[in-house]
Amino acid sequence: KAGVTQTPRYLIKTRGQQVTLSCSPISGHRSVSWYQQTPGQGLQFLFEYFSETQRNKGNFPGRFSGRQFSNSRSEMNVSTLELGDSALYLCASAGGLQETQYFGPGTRLLVL
Amino acid sequence: GENVEQHPSTLSVQEGDSAVIKCTYSDSASNYFPWYKQELGKGPQLIIDIRSNVGEKKDQRIAVTLNKTAKHFSLHITETQPEDSAVYFCAALTGANNLFFGTGTRLTVIP
Repeated sequence: KAGVTQTPRYLIKTRGQQVTLSCSPISGHRSVSWYQQTPGQGLQFLFEYFSETQRNKGNFPGRFSGRQFSNSRSEMNVSTLELGDSALYLCASAGGLQETQYFGPGTRLLVL
Repeated sequence: GENVEQHPSTLSVQEGDSAVIKCTYSDSASNYFPWYKQELGKGPQLIIDIRSNVGEKKDQRIAVTLNKTAKHFSLHITETQPEDSAVYFCAALTGANNLFFGTGTRLTVIP
């Protein structure tokens, strides 16, 4: 089985812009979770989607949003980018509730 | 909410020695504890996991132990090799299906 894929792998944006990141889960997996990884804050949970519905949400501002399509692919959007949004954004897929999460390689976002 | 603490933050061992990384969690409802290895430029990779109905699990040179009463779990790597050098994260999955991570341990295996 192919693993979790994320596109793009690298991205440079400027403050105030918006960005959309994409994640394709492992075939058959219906749960996709998004995480932000920074040196200062570590790995922080953003949100989880299951069968096109947001099932869980972390403590991030409303500028961070996501969606999931019928084929389980997911997108994450960040609007009005801030310098502090520079991070590695990881998505993880799982077969369902309480199941193992497998991570993609991440998208490294740099906000200038 | 859940709080996962991980120690040590850095660990250096000689090749062939053992390495132990410890984590504690706060939410007694957490029931699944995976360990991930992250190499430079890559996403975290699952190396071993344990569920709350099991006290110990082993996979070749890697083992994990769980003490539910004390709310702590540990990763043990025996016969370490240079390719074991990476950042290791513990995590706890809550009943609400949220995965909380420790702050990571940078393991360096010295040849």
